Amino acid sequence: DSGVTQTPKHLITATGQRVTLRCSPRSGDLSVYWYQQSLDQGLQFLIQYYNGEERAKGNILERFSAQQFPDLHSELNLSSLELGDSALYFCASSVVGTLDSEQFFGPGTRLTVL
Amino acid sequence: DAKTTQPPSMDCAEGRAANLPCNHSTISGNEYVYWYRQIHSQGPQYIIHGLKNNETNEMASLIITEDRKSSTLILPHATLRDTAVYYCIVRITGSARQLTFGSGTQLTVLP
Repeated sequence: DSGVTQTPKHLITATGQRVTLRCSPRSGDLSVYWYQQSLDQGLQFLIQYYNGEERAKGNILERFSAQQFPDLHSELNLSSLELGDSALYFCASSVVGTLDSEQFFGPGTRLTVL
Repeated sequence: DAKTTQPPSMDCAEGRAANLPCNHSTISGNEYVYWYRQIHSQGPQYIIHGLKNNETNEMASLIITEDRKSSTLILPHATLRDTAVYYCIVRITGSARQLTFGSGTQLTVLP
């Protein structure tokens, strides 16, 4: 158990819909990362938040957005869903510092768009 | 971050050492080598990381060549539960940057 929790575990929805994925980082971790893993693209970085502020952006579509709340949990919002958005979505957290910068991953949310 | 090259797949007999190679010939002086693994659709799991000295923890050992252009992850006594995709990642530590995953090596531990 990494200490990172994600809900829901599974999500099935239809094209055009909007969903929200939730992540609670490990206690004390200020940085949250979102990754997408699809069959053909592998694990890809989407976006990072640090203490409520956006820190880095990767291959995140404009239809996707995220935020980190004062209690440090984060949400990833996916809208106007397409079949190709079906994937595993992982959240990771880390302590920002000079030593402990390994990331701890949650169990993921499996999104299926029909 | 430097690019890494790993073999797509490897087999290992249960109880034997698994040696997973990684090439990172363009690594720069302030980049560390990290290893993560992903067991069938679970979240990736941190294994070990190092700069230039060999490292060992309860999970594995990391051997980095003197020129730092390649490294080997060693699982000393592989078990069936070590079957996973292993990712070698080169990254500046302390900067809390994102991880860039390649294709990794699918390690299959055979009974």
